[in-house]
Amino acid sequence: NAGVTQTPKFRVLKTGQSMTLLCAQDMNHEYMYWYRQDPGMGLRLIHYSVGEGTTAKGEVPDGYNVSRLKKQNFLLGLESAAPSQTSVYFCASSYSETYEQYFGPGTRLTVT
Amino acid sequence: GQQLNQSPQSMFIQEGEDVSMNCTSSSIFNTWLWYKQDPGEGPVLLIALYKAGELTSNGRLTAQFGITRKDSFLNISASIPSDVGIYFCAGLRGGATNKLIFGTGTLLAVQP
Repeated sequence: NAGVTQTPKFRVLKTGQSMTLLCAQDMNHEYMYWYRQDPGMGLRLIHYSVGEGTTAKGEVPDGYNVSRLKKQNFLLGLESAAPSQTSVYFCASSYSETYEQYFGPGTRLTVT
Repeated sequence: GQQLNQSPQSMFIQEGEDVSMNCTSSSIFNTWLWYKQDPGEGPVLLIALYKAGELTSNGRLTAQFGITRKDSFLNISASIPSDVGIYFCAGLRGGATNKLIFGTGTLLAVQP
């Protein structure tokens, strides 16, 4: 039981490049989330999903897209990376909206 | 975005000392969570609280859900060097747009 896993762990992009971050969970959770963590800003919700095939915007969704084609996977895409997207990205999952969230190990992204 | 007020911001203590930190809000929460984050890792859930007044322990850690539902406390007894890290509280309000709101974090340093 791996919990929540994220790939890749590190990535460096040039401005304008695109990439996809993959999150996988093996806990059969319905809810999945993408956060970014920046110094002094805490964890901010980018997008979330309440079940397979659904997505919704969080607090800071601009510049990101997501997809949840399979229940266990939640993908975060950056179509045209910008330096402001340099951050550490965390995926999380939960059984429902009233239950605790479990986090992955994070992806450190640098955009130059 | 919204963050919970967490204090203290940082603590520097000697091994063996007890630690207390708290989280307050002007709003009511239905669930309080406490996470620990080590450098380069994702937040790890320590304790989940679901009912006002609830007191829950996890080893040397004890957390309480405040009676007013607007605050929560975390105590660590007999601290050890591996307790070093950043501790976050997080609250869930419930409802259709239920989102996890994070505290600002408490950095704990333990001197052997």
